[in-house]
Amino acid sequence: AQSVTQPDIHITVSEGASLELRCNYSYGATPYLFWYVQSPGQGLQLLLKYFSGDTLVQGIKGFEAEFKRSQSSFNLRKPSVHWSDAAEYFCAVGEYGNKLVFGAGTILRVKS
Amino acid sequence: EAGVTQFPSHSVIEKGQTVTLRCDPISGHDNLYWYRRVMGKEIKFLLHFVKESKQDESGMPNNRFLAERTGGTYSTLKVQPAELEDSGVYFCASSQQETEAFFGQGTRLTVV
Repeated sequence: AQSVTQPDIHITVSEGASLELRCNYSYGATPYLFWYVQSPGQGLQLLLKYFSGDTLVQGIKGFEAEFKRSQSSFNLRKPSVHWSDAAEYFCAVGEYGNKLVFGAGTILRVKS
Repeated sequence: EAGVTQFPSHSVIEKGQTVTLRCDPISGHDNLYWYRRVMGKEIKFLLHFVKESKQDESGMPNNRFLAERTGGTYSTLKVQPAELEDSGVYFCASSQQETEAFFGQGTRLTVV
């Protein structure tokens, strides 16, 4: 069965520091991969997705993610974190279309 | 353009009562998905509608849950009778075909 692992439940970074959120997946075929963010009081917002092609994917809000098939990973990165990035981040793999299997989420705290 | 809207935003009910959650998708989106996040766990897929038809209901936990999408517009998710373990956040998402899914803010259900 498909699964997604986000090993870090909480991460705290200083404002302006770089960020990397880890995501590993288990999926038999070429996966559709997603990162979503949920800010307090908001719904889930799509940051970026990978379907095929270039393994480095650019998203909104300055985020990027790199698909590494050999490591079954799809880590999310941002070079300089802003206080407004504090939120919960979810990695997901798509079984088909938008039927998604989510990881447990990583809560990002930004300290000034 | 209005996003995905869910009603109510919060609901507190007693064990054994009935609750109905509603989701209004983005206009023109044929695909509608229900997901649920139980406290501390992953967001899990419940079911997928294409217009008024249930395409995939493999994630529905048991027969106390009934989802409908009459006329292929809004959808309801009824829990009858509610149990304590049904507490969580219920998300709805909609999409056009296989493109990006847009999520609502969720309904937080608490069964006491």
